[in-house]
Amino acid sequence: AQSVTQLGSHVSVSEGALVLLRCNYSSSVPPYLFWYVQYPNQGLQLLLKYTTGATLVKGINGFEAEFKKSETSFHLTKPSAHMSDAAEYFCAVSGAGGGNKLTFGTGTQLKVEL
Amino acid sequence: DTGVSQNPRHKITKRGQNVTFRCDPISEHNRLYWYRQTLGQGPEFLTYFQNEAQLEKSRLLSDRFSAERPKGSFSTLEIQRTEQGDSAMYLCASSPRTHSPLHFGNGTRLTVT
Repeated sequence: AQSVTQLGSHVSVSEGALVLLRCNYSSSVPPYLFWYVQYPNQGLQLLLKYTTGATLVKGINGFEAEFKKSETSFHLTKPSAHMSDAAEYFCAVSGAGGGNKLTFGTGTQLKVEL
Repeated sequence: DTGVSQNPRHKITKRGQNVTFRCDPISEHNRLYWYRQTLGQGPEFLTYFQNEAQLEKSRLLSDRFSAERPKGSFSTLEIQRTEQGDSAMYLCASSPRTHSPLHFGNGTRLTVT
C-alpha cells in the first residue's frame, strides 16, 4: 500500500522568495513520485517526476524536487516565487504494481504575495 | 497530442437522477483512469482500464457507479440514482504505459441538488 502526506495545506510566500512544499511518502516497493499542479477549475498538470536514477529532478516552470529515500521525502522547491505560481500542488506516488495507479496527497495551496 | 477531453464540463442534476460522463483519452494511450476530487482533497482513484478491460475498481465505486471503455478508446462513467454526496469533480486521465505520468483532462464538475 502507498500513501502520501503533504505537510501544510496552505503555504504563503512573497514574490521572489523561496518556495518549499513538503511531501513524505510511504511505499512498500520502490516508489515512483510525481508533483502535479492544479489551477482553479482545471485538471492536473505534471510538474516533474522521479522514477529511477538521479535523485534531483528538474521540472517545468523552474521547479525541482529531491528524492531522499532515507527520509522518505520528495519536497518541491523553486528558488524564486512568481505570482503565476499561485495554485494547488499535489504530490503523488505509484508503486511497482497497481497498474500505475497514483495515490495523491491532500494538496498544498500556494499563495504568492507582492 | 490533443489532450484528454472530458464532457460535459459541468453537470447539475437532481438527486435520484442518472448522469453519464464521457472521457476521450489521448489517442495512443491504452491506459485510462477515473478519479474523483472533492473540495480541499486530492484526487481519489475510482477505476482503471487497460484497453477495454477494467482491471481495478476502488471500494469508493459503489454499485451505483459503472464505467465502460467498449472499444478501448473513449470511456463513460455513469452514476445511477445520484446522491448529494456524489457532488465532486470527476477527473479522467490516460497514460501510454506503466509508470508514465498520467495526463489529466479538465474534469466534469457534478452538482447534485
